Amino acid sequence: AQSVTQPDIHITVSEGASLELRCNYSYGATPYLFWYVQSPGQGLQLLLKYFSGDTLVQGIKGFEAEFKRSQSSFNLRKPSVHWSDAAEYFCAVGLYNFNKFYFGSGTKLNVKP
Amino acid sequence: GAVVSQHPSWVICKSGTSVKIECRSLDFQATTMFWYRQFPKQSLMLMATSNEGSKATYEQGVEKDKFLINHASLTLSTLTVTSAHPEDSSFYICSAKWSSTDTQYFGPGTRLTVL
Repeated sequence: AQSVTQPDIHITVSEGASLELRCNYSYGATPYLFWYVQSPGQGLQLLLKYFSGDTLVQGIKGFEAEFKRSQSSFNLRKPSVHWSDAAEYFCAVGLYNFNKFYFGSGTKLNVKP
Repeated sequence: GAVVSQHPSWVICKSGTSVKIECRSLDFQATTMFWYRQFPKQSLMLMATSNEGSKATYEQGVEKDKFLINHASLTLSTLTVTSAHPEDSSFYICSAKWSSTDTQYFGPGTRLTVL
């Protein structure tokens, strides 16, 4: 079955520490991959996306993600977390010429001072 | 750029009534709009995809007669929850894109509570 998996429901990191949020997908071909962030009560903001080419993509707010075909993963990273990064993060897959998006279950990030 | 708005941001209604949620693309023409539903502490579930001037395509398990979607113009799509029941209470989010782009732009969501 096609799926997007985010194995970590909650993650807590200290401010200034590094962060890695995991995302695995299960699709026949290499899908188009996205990471979105959702602040409480708000819509989703695109952090970054991968379609092809360089497997390490840079996004906004200092985030980056690496596509690893062999692991079917697209993990999100940030070298130094800020308190304002506390939010929920969603990995998504785009299929069929971007007319279908499927989201992972999300990872809620808490940042300790 | 690429701003999507939703109205209302929250709504409370009685069981059995119908509720309409609007999704507007403010600064671009949205050839395709999407409607999602998000349960508490869960992910977004795609409900339907609508192209301007066409009937919406519903995901499996979504009742098209209950969730009426209209995409009458390139800047407006509406979702009407008919005969709402408490189990329809949820956070409804729309997104929009234009044909040449790969990115969906999301609205801020509408919190529906059915009493």
